[in-house]
Amino acid sequence: SQQGEEDPQALSIQEGENATMNCSYKTSINNLQWYRQNSGRGLVHLILIRSNEREKHSGRLRVTLDTSKKSSSLLITASRAADTASYFCATVHYNTDKLIFGTGTRLQVFP
Amino acid sequence: EAQVTQNPRYLITVTGKKLTVTCSQNMNHEYMSWYRQDPGLGLRQIYYSMNVEVTDKGDVPEGYKVSRKEKRNFPLILESPSPNQTSLYFCASSSGRGGTGELFFGEGSRLTVL
Repeated sequence: SQQGEEDPQALSIQEGENATMNCSYKTSINNLQWYRQNSGRGLVHLILIRSNEREKHSGRLRVTLDTSKKSSSLLITASRAADTASYFCATVHYNTDKLIFGTGTRLQVFP
Repeated sequence: EAQVTQNPRYLITVTGKKLTVTCSQNMNHEYMSWYRQDPGLGLRQIYYSMNVEVTDKGDVPEGYKVSRKEKRNFPLILESPSPNQTSLYFCASSSGRGGTGELFFGEGSRLTVL
């Protein structure tokens, strides 16, 4: 399986600090996506980065992709208590349209 | 408002009692999918559908059935539920083919099988 693996599994920070989450995967991909899930709720799409892109920004989010290392990172700058959630990376294998999710990083932002 | 609607949101049932979890989307998406989420295992795909009357197995299809008779609806059927199907279920849809675009998720259906 080319399931992405997030690191760390859990992260606790103070408001205003930056949060960085990493995702590693095993095989060549078409794209990589990041999703957010508030406790027990549905996942919400954050950002999609294609295999030929190296960096994307969306508001306070910055995603990087290093296909040579088969890894991606999600940076949330100036975090807020409302950013408390689980964050999942999901990869689409090069030869399929299938999206496979990792097990997620639980982020806790303390006021 | 663009949304994916699942029902019921919560359900407790007993082993062997057939149940259906409905899923409906109002975005005219061709692709729809069901996932289950279990602690430590992330989201695993059960079944997906590329279009009306086209369905295919995901990673964990055993014990589940689906149908896609209309574009907007994609019900998940548990013919004879068992306790190992206790889980949080999500329906999702996308305008892209499978993972090529953003997935829109429903709010989830928490199922307990006694």
